[in-house]
Amino acid sequence: DIQMTQSPSSLSASLGGKVTITCKASQDINKYIAWYQHKPGKGPRLLIHYTSTLQPGIPSRFSGSGSGRDYSFSISNLEPEDIATYYCLQYDNLYTFGGGTKLEIK
Amino acid sequence: QVQLQQSGAELARPGASVKLSCKASGYTFTSYWMQWVKQRPGQGLEWIGAIYPGDGDTRYTQKFKGKATLTADKSSSTAYMQLSSLASEDSAVYYCARRGYDVYYFDYWGQGTTLTVSS
Repeated sequence: DIQMTQSPSSLSASLGGKVTITCKASQDINKYIAWYQHKPGKGPRLLIHYTSTLQPGIPSRFSGSGSGRDYSFSISNLEPEDIATYYCLQYDNLYTFGGGTKLEIK
Repeated sequence: QVQLQQSGAELARPGASVKLSCKASGYTFTSYWMQWVKQRPGQGLEWIGAIYPGDGDTRYTQKFKGKATLTADKSSSTAYMQLSSLASEDSAVYYCARRGYDVYYFDYWGQGTTLTVSS
């Protein structure tokens, strides 16, 4: 099974700032990684798939990059509504989620 | 618009079974795989398995074989997951999620159903 190591598990940043989250796979996942935003009481929301492709309607403040085993996700110009937990998902071989990153605003 | 509406919170006894539902609307139910995902309190997300409502084909991750049974009712566009021999470690929020058409990531999710297993 593919393991996904996501870091950090939590972070705090200022409004207008930028944050970056990373996911490291236990093997090459061929860019088949998606990123989700999860708020309490709701289902996760798809932001990015295939490493860097934004879903329609997702602001360009969100971005993704990476290849092989190493992937990153960034949010720039942080806004209050970005407070959430973010997860990566590898879908190259079945499905494995990262452990999540809880984002707080300073 | 695509919507996945999940059933309400459940309280069940250890050893019992429970059946959770996920009613789909806004798309052709039989043309998309439906996934199920588990989230234990304070923990991450875990894929359970999937069903293709068009023909009832199912996939399960090894850990949930024998624990979860996935079914679908085409007439009501509703997917179901039955969990059997419940134990405290089955207490969690369970989500249904649609796999995108001709892709493998999940594009829409339900709001989740909280299951509490307690005597």
